[in-house]
Amino acid sequence: EIVMTQSPATLSVSPGERATLSCRASQSVSSNLAWYQQKPGQAPRLLFYGASTRATGIPARFSGSGSGTEFTLTISSLQSEDFAVYYCQQYNNWPRTFGQGTKVEIK
Amino acid sequence: EVQLLESGGGLVQPGGSLRLSCAASGFTFSSHSMYWVRQAPGKGLEWVSAISGGGHSTNYGDSVRGRFTISRDNSKNTLYLQMNSLRAEDTAVYYCAKGVRGDYDYWGQGALVTVSS
Repeated sequence: EIVMTQSPATLSVSPGERATLSCRASQSVSSNLAWYQQKPGQAPRLLFYGASTRATGIPARFSGSGSGTEFTLTISSLQSEDFAVYYCQQYNNWPRTFGQGTKVEIK
Repeated sequence: EVQLLESGGGLVQPGGSLRLSCAASGFTFSSHSMYWVRQAPGKGLEWVSAISGGGHSTNYGDSVRGRFTISRDNSKNTLYLQMNSLRAEDTAVYYCAKGVRGDYDYWGQGALVTVSS
């Protein structure tokens, strides 16, 4: 199975600052990558599909990039509602796999 | 409005069985692949299983293959997960999710399964 590795595990950022999250695949997943946001006690929420296409209702301060094995999620100016755990997921191969998550916390 | 409502969670002894259901509404259920994803307490997301819209194609994660069976009843707009030979490490919140492309655009609120004696 494809192993998805996210870094860092925890990112401490001040509101208004930029956050950059990384996701690496153990083999190419082309652009078949999604990003999800999860807040405590809630189900995950789709942010991006196709590595860089924003899902419905996702603010423009969120951007996704990458292809192959290296992917990045960037939040240009963190708002209070953005502090959460972020997961990448590949859907190029079976079984589908998630990264272990990056927690974005308030600095 | 798309809604996914899981049910059937609870406490079960190791080696026991449980069946989860996910009632779907607000979209053409039979046109979409459906998925189960789980999350152990305090841990990350783990992909569990998938089923095609017609129900003829299924896939499983390595940790549940041979013990879990995914199925669907398109006449009832309901997704199922039959879980057998349950282990303590299967303790988790189980989410059903609606597929589009290969990503999941809607998720249920989850059903807690606890495997313990």
